[in-house]
Amino acid sequence: GAVVSQHPSRVICKSGTSVKIECRSLDFQATTMFWYRQFPKQSLMLMATSNEGSKATYEQGVEKDKFLINHASLTLSTLTVTSAHPEDSSFYICSARGAGGPGETQYFGPGTRLLVL
Amino acid sequence: EDKVVQSPLSLVVHEGDTVTLNCSYEVTNFRSLLWYKQEKKAPTFLFMLTSSGIEKKSGRLSSILDKKELFSILNITATQTGDSAVYLCAGFYNTDKLIFGTGTRLQVFP
Repeated sequence: GAVVSQHPSRVICKSGTSVKIECRSLDFQATTMFWYRQFPKQSLMLMATSNEGSKATYEQGVEKDKFLINHASLTLSTLTVTSAHPEDSSFYICSARGAGGPGETQYFGPGTRLLVL
Repeated sequence: EDKVVQSPLSLVVHEGDTVTLNCSYEVTNFRSLLWYKQEKKAPTFLFMLTSSGIEKKSGRLSSILDKKELFSILNITATQTGDSAVYLCAGFYNTDKLIFGTGTRLQVFP
C-alpha cells in the first residue's frame, strides 16, 4: 500500500512551546490530508481536513488558531500545536488520500506521540 | 448524530480460535465502511466495503457489509498471536470524512 511518514515520531516539550509535526506522502501525491487525534484507549477523532493550496477545514470544537495546518505541497502537510499545554498530550495521526477523489482509501502515517510537561 | 459502534469492546481467545468482530453504523450519506488494524502505532488498512453482501477476503481475514441492517463483520479464522491488536471500523460519509468506532481489542494467547 501507499506509504505515509510522520516526523517526529515522539516529542516531549514544555508547556507553552509550539510543536510542529510533518506528514509526508512518500510514493503518491496527496491532494487531501487528514489530521486525527487519539487519546489513550479511545478511537481516532478527526481534527481537520487539509487540501493542498487551500485553508484547512476544522471539525467542531477544534481551535484553528491553536492547531495550525499548512498543506503547502502535494506531498507535505504540517500541524503546529501552538502554546501546547498538558491537555494537548495525545497521539496525533495524519492520513493521506490520493488524487482519486472521495472514496479513495486513506493511508495513515505512523503517528506522533506528543507529551507536554 | 453520525456514529459507529463496535462490539465487543475486547476479546480474549486462544490461538486457532475463530473470532467475529461487529460494527454497526449510523452515518449520513454513507459511502463505504473501512476496517483497520491498529497495533502500537497508526492503523493499517484492511478492507474497504462499499457493496452489500459481497465478501472481501485477505488470507485468514474476511469481511462483509450489510447495508440494509447497517452493519459489518470482520472474521478472523485460525487466529495467531500476531493478530493481537485493536481493530477499528470507520464509516466513510459525505465527501471524504471517516468516523471511527472505539475499536475492539483482540488478544490472542498461545
